[in-house]
Amino acid sequence: DTGVSQDPRHKITKRGQNVTFRCDPISEHNRLYWYRQTLGQGPEFLTYFQNEAQLEKSRLLSDRFSAERPKGSFSTLEIQRTEQGDSAMYLCASSFSGRVETQYFGPGTRLLVL
Amino acid sequence: GQQLNQSPQSMFIQEGEDVSMNCTSSSIFNTWLWYKQDPGEGPVLLIALYKAGELTSNGRLTAQFGITRKDSFLNISASIPSDVGIYFCAGILTSNTGKLIFGQGTTLQVKP
Repeated sequence: DTGVSQDPRHKITKRGQNVTFRCDPISEHNRLYWYRQTLGQGPEFLTYFQNEAQLEKSRLLSDRFSAERPKGSFSTLEIQRTEQGDSAMYLCASSFSGRVETQYFGPGTRLLVL
Repeated sequence: GQQLNQSPQSMFIQEGEDVSMNCTSSSIFNTWLWYKQDPGEGPVLLIALYKAGELTSNGRLTAQFGITRKDSFLNISASIPSDVGIYFCAGILTSNTGKLIFGQGTTLQVKP
């Protein structure tokens, strides 16, 4: 296992379209996190899963956003009816539940909404 | 929401110089972390701090968890060109969630 992977690395879409991103965590990790990072800022927490259960969602995660981790392995983040303000880097991280401070980040998916 | 104030925002230094950056918060954190992010990549964990007053080193990097639990600093000694990047502090308020709260970042540029 070479670490956390994310797909795609880049996505350009038109306003109003739906997009879906995938994250494959480190296989032994039961925790999976999504963060959003805009230019010049640090990452902001969106949501996290323990196994397949989504345990917390940030207020940043509007009803246009949905995240799933159906089998407790990979996760998807879907944005419906994209807006220009959704343009950002979407980062995924994973960890063991007993070592939540040691989160390994993926390379991110950079989204541009035109 | 919770915020971490990180300073300086950017630094441009000569190779071989030492660097210091810090992070402060109005809230008490249980854990402080320092990450480095290269362009187009995700953050990479450099140092994790678990107890107030703790001083931890990782090679040329040294970080401390402030006594008040509301601040932390990171020092880089004898900087080299590959130290270039954005350094972020992050804190965890409650250990069970693992939700990281990040600072705004310090951009470091090193002149050979």
